[in-house]
Amino acid sequence: KNQVEQSPQSLIILEGKNCTLQCNYTVSPFSNLRWYKQDTGRGPVSLTIMTFSENTKSNGRYTATLDADTKQSSLHITASQLSDSASYICVVKRNTGFQKLVFGTGTRLLVSP
Amino acid sequence: SQTIHQWPATLVQPVGSPLSLECTVEGTSNPNLYWYRQAAGRGLQLLFYSVGIGQISSEVPQNLSASRPQDRQFILSSKKLLLSDSGFYLCAWAPVGGTEAFFGQGTRLTVV
Repeated sequence: KNQVEQSPQSLIILEGKNCTLQCNYTVSPFSNLRWYKQDTGRGPVSLTIMTFSENTKSNGRYTATLDADTKQSSLHITASQLSDSASYICVVKRNTGFQKLVFGTGTRLLVSP
Repeated sequence: SQTIHQWPATLVQPVGSPLSLECTVEGTSNPNLYWYRQAAGRGLQLLFYSVGIGQISSEVPQNLSASRPQDRQFILSSKKLLLSDSGFYLCAWAPVGGTEAFFGQGTRLTVV
C-alpha cells in the first residue's frame, strides 16, 4: 500500500534551536519527494523537492535529505525562528501515467520564544 | 503567472444542506486538478482528481461529488451535508507532467 508516515506528530522547540523531521514512505514507483510548509488555515507551499538521485538539498535554513534505498527523508531546520511554526508535510509523487501525490499526515512544529 | 482561486474561505452550513465550493485556475491550460480534505489533526486526503473537462476520478467513497464544467474550473458539491463533512478543503492544480502541486488558500467548512 502506498503510504507516507511522518514523525514526530508534533514538536515544540525553543527559538534558535535546530530540529529534524522524519518521513518514511512505501510509495512505488517513486518519482520525487517534496516537503511542504503549511501555515494554519492556509494551503501548503513547497519548500524542497528531492528526486531519486539526490541525497541532500538546501533552501535557506531548510535542508532535506533523501535515502531512496531505505525510503526515508528528513527535513532539518537550522536556527529556528518563530515564523517556522507550521505543519510540515512530506509528499511523495508516484511515477505513474497520471500524476498521483501521496501525502503524509504532517508534523506540527511550534517554535517557542 | 498562474494563480488559483478558491472560495469561500470559511463556511458554516447546517446538516442536510447542500454544498458548492468553487476553484478556478488562471494562467495555464489543461491543468490536473485536485480536491483534498484535511480533517482536524489529520493529513491531506485526496478526494477527487481530474485530468480534463468532465473527467473526474474519486479516491474514496463519500458524500461528496466533483465536477469540471470548464478546463480551469473545479467544483466540489454535496446534496446533503453530514457532520463528518466538516474540515479544511483544499483545491490544487498541477501542470501535466509537472513536479509540483499548487494549492489554493482553502475553505474551512463547519457543518452544524
